[in-house]
Amino acid sequence: GQQVQQSPASLVLQEGENAELQCNFSTSLNSMQWFYQRPGGSLVSLFYNPSGTKHSGRLTSTTVIKERRSSLHISSSQTTDSGTYLCAFGTGGYKVVFGSGTRLLVSP
Amino acid sequence: GALVYQYPRRTICKSGTSMRMECQAVGFQATSVAWYRQSPQKTFELIALSTVNSAIKYEQNFTQEKFPISHPNLSFSSMTVLNAYLEDRGLYLCGAREGTGPEQFFGPGTRLTVL
Repeated sequence: GQQVQQSPASLVLQEGENAELQCNFSTSLNSMQWFYQRPGGSLVSLFYNPSGTKHSGRLTSTTVIKERRSSLHISSSQTTDSGTYLCAFGTGGYKVVFGSGTRLLVSP
Repeated sequence: GALVYQYPRRTICKSGTSMRMECQAVGFQATSVAWYRQSPQKTFELIALSTVNSAIKYEQNFTQEKFPISHPNLSFSSMTVLNAYLEDRGLYLCGAREGTGPEQFFGPGTRLTVL
């Protein structure tokens, strides 16, 4: 079946350090999203990025379709960046497959 | 822009009772709505997909008898968790799509706690 692998599973940073999160997909995709899940659980959409590179503040998402991977780069991390980062992809049907997430902890 | 709201954001119910949650699309027509659940320590799994004027399709391990869904128009959907038990705890997510477009817009989720 369709699968997505996220890495690393968890990450601890000192404030100010950069982070690179990865997602690898088992099949070709036509939609790709990154989410931030707050420690309280609610979901926030960060990027809809099916291909190429997108920027938003300190965040950058890059999706390379032919390599079936997407990355999320966080620069100059802050303690408020702590939480879980999820990627999710679709293959053309209506179902979106979520990764298991990267748990990020940024310490002061 | 396209936004999806979910109500309530958090809810608690007693074991054996039912809980209804709502999903509202603003700024686009929610032709299809998908409901997902994130159980503790797990990732999101699809419960069912609802398309206006079509039958609702449930994934394996999820049934209409347990999770009845209503999708009466292009801006609203609701799902009820009937006879909730501990294994129904989690974050319930609504994702809506307009037409056949690839992007699905997600709400923040409804967190269900079962006592």
